Amino acid sequence: NAGVTQTPKFRILKIGQSMTLQCAQDMNHNYMYWYRQDPGMGLKLIYYSVGAGITDKGEVPNGYNVSRSTTEDFPLRLELAAPSQTSVYFCASSYVGGDGDTQYFGPGTRLTVL
Amino acid sequence: KQEVTQIPAALSVPEGENLVLNCSFTDSAIYNLQWFRQDPGKGLTSLLLIQSSQREQTSGRLNASLDKSSGRSTLYIAASQPGDSATYLCAVEDQGAQKLVFGQGTRLTINP
Repeated sequence: NAGVTQTPKFRILKIGQSMTLQCAQDMNHNYMYWYRQDPGMGLKLIYYSVGAGITDKGEVPNGYNVSRSTTEDFPLRLELAAPSQTSVYFCASSYVGGDGDTQYFGPGTRLTVL
Repeated sequence: KQEVTQIPAALSVPEGENLVLNCSFTDSAIYNLQWFRQDPGKGLTSLLLIQSSQREQTSGRLNASLDKSSGRSTLYIAASQPGDSATYLCAVEDQGAQKLVFGQGTRLTINP
């Protein structure tokens, strides 16, 4: 299994541009999550999904959108990028009801907005 | 609102020492608590998960304890090695939430 994969690994955007961060998992997990991590800080939840077609906001959803059309994929869309969105973005997945809800993380996408 | 705090933010110890990392949380109605390891420029790796009904979990040289009533967890690392150098993050999942709230992490350096 590849686990949780994220693309791209690095990206530089100009203010006002848009982009989509890709996330995929091959573990048949029902839950998927997007977090951001600012320097020296813990992770903050942006959006999460409990299954295909169902998404909900986390702690810091403003400026982002998500969709979950399949169990495997959970893309994160940034519209009108702002410098405040410079961060490292992590996608994670878990099987709620399985081994105690352990979350498995992807390697992250480092995004800089200039 | 659940808040998770990890103190200290950074810790440096010589190789071979036993050490304890601390995590505190404000709301005791948790479902579980997880400890993660993060290497520089990498994602998070789950180390231990403690269910709310458990008091501790062990994996190799790692032992995590949970005291819900006091809102505290500790991660004990025995016989530390330079390869243990990383940032360690604590996260709690509240009852019925299916979402994690993270602490800021403790950056651990083991000196040879």
